[in-house]
Amino acid sequence: DADVTQTPRNRITKTGKRIMLECSQTKGHDRMYWYRQDPGLGLRLIYYSFDVKDINKGEISDGYSVSRQAQAKFSLSLESAIPNQTALYFCATSDLQGGEQFFGPGTRLTVL
Amino acid sequence: AQKVTQAQTEISVVEKEDVTLDCVYETRDTTYYLFWYKQPPSGELVFLIRRNSFDEQNEISGRYSWNFQKSTSSFNFTITASQVVDSAVYFCALSDSGSGGGADGLTFGKGTHLIIQP
Repeated sequence: DADVTQTPRNRITKTGKRIMLECSQTKGHDRMYWYRQDPGLGLRLIYYSFDVKDINKGEISDGYSVSRQAQAKFSLSLESAIPNQTALYFCATSDLQGGEQFFGPGTRLTVL
Repeated sequence: AQKVTQAQTEISVVEKEDVTLDCVYETRDTTYYLFWYKQPPSGELVFLIRRNSFDEQNEISGRYSWNFQKSTSSFNFTITASQVVDSAVYFCALSDSGSGGGADGLTFGKGTHLIIQP
């Protein structure tokens, strides 16, 4: 089984809808991250968490919120989706500052 | 603030040619980490290498090699005798210690799309 899983893998939704993307990991890492990938822009950090009580904003947090339900679970929510949030979303984990990040397979989100 | 620049948006070469992907980074920290990831057409991110700022030794792994030069803030990646399976988008990324007030996590370049033609 994969160490970092994301659900759903693909999602199409409409403008204004609330949507949640989920990430689970079995690596036992404390640090978890959400990134967004847009064509030609690379990946950009949305939020990150060091543990269930420590949530931090990344470069592009506006329009997003997160929840760290447990060490193994980190969810990303779009409260009111808009078309420019159409992107590929990746979850990642790491065990230390500057350590290798282990990425999930990605969630492709389309907002119509 | 951290920044990673991959000036080559797309590179196209014929199979068996050598190709170098450039990466230039900016950080105020003396302790930082550099990475290369590969994203094949299937979309997943594949880790290739991690290098800390105190280790300037070049590294070779099979057909892959990396040249880290602090003097020019560069961490370039060379594929020798390229193969069609090397076709992918390659990302260079940086993580520093955060002492400059930046966020944890990786700062990615915009990627280089490498096309290997048969």
